[in-house]
Amino acid sequence: GAGVSQSPSNKVTEKGKDVELRCDPISGHTALYWYRQSLGQGLEFLIYFQGNSAPDKSGLPSDRFSAERTGGSVSTLTIQRTQQEDSAVYLCASSFDGTAYTGELFFGEGSRLTVL
Amino acid sequence: GNSVTQMEGPVTLSEEAFLTINCTYTATGYPSLFWYVQYPGEGLQLLLKATKADDKGSNKGFEATYRKETTSFHLEKGSVQVSDSAVYFCALSVQETSYDKVIFGPGTSLSVIP
Repeated sequence: GAGVSQSPSNKVTEKGKDVELRCDPISGHTALYWYRQSLGQGLEFLIYFQGNSAPDKSGLPSDRFSAERTGGSVSTLTIQRTQQEDSAVYLCASSFDGTAYTGELFFGEGSRLTVL
Repeated sequence: GNSVTQMEGPVTLSEEAFLTINCTYTATGYPSLFWYVQYPGEGLQLLLKATKADDKGSNKGFEATYRKETTSFHLEKGSVQVSDSAVYFCALSVQETSYDKVIFGPGTSLSVIP
């Protein structure tokens, strides 16, 4: 399809395991954002990519969280040694570079992570 | 810093009622303002936007006016429908040194009952 694609849509894991969440942005979109949506909370910014580089990682909650983007396209968010407080919906969004200010972000449907 | 505050939900209205969801912001510089909507089981999508003071964004019967003097961007609709049941997020975008930072409010859940 032409939209932002995220996988898996649902992930249940045990505390202490590592998980990888994938985002495939809209073709040609150079800007990519990761957010976390927790129950009763808003969208918490995690990280921003411009091409393959991440000029803003300020939202990553701890060093257990990392993200990369290869080929200016697909991005992977990795959470190591998952904790129960990591349970949330992880959202990915993309846009053409420099258009989020006046345009819009295009969101995927999210990856729901449940840590038991 | 930059932040967005929205009225607490959930909001429950009867069909054809008038809707207002309050949003206020704090920002350095000149932000653009947005309302995003998340329908059940779907991803967030842009509902409307305003990029400068006094602009009015509108879409699907919803409106919001960028009020710089009160730092507000309240969402209104004159007559809501059951299909408007969703979570509504107010957001702002500011131009940081190297990119456009987009900050969201906590969201307001709306339920419209027949």
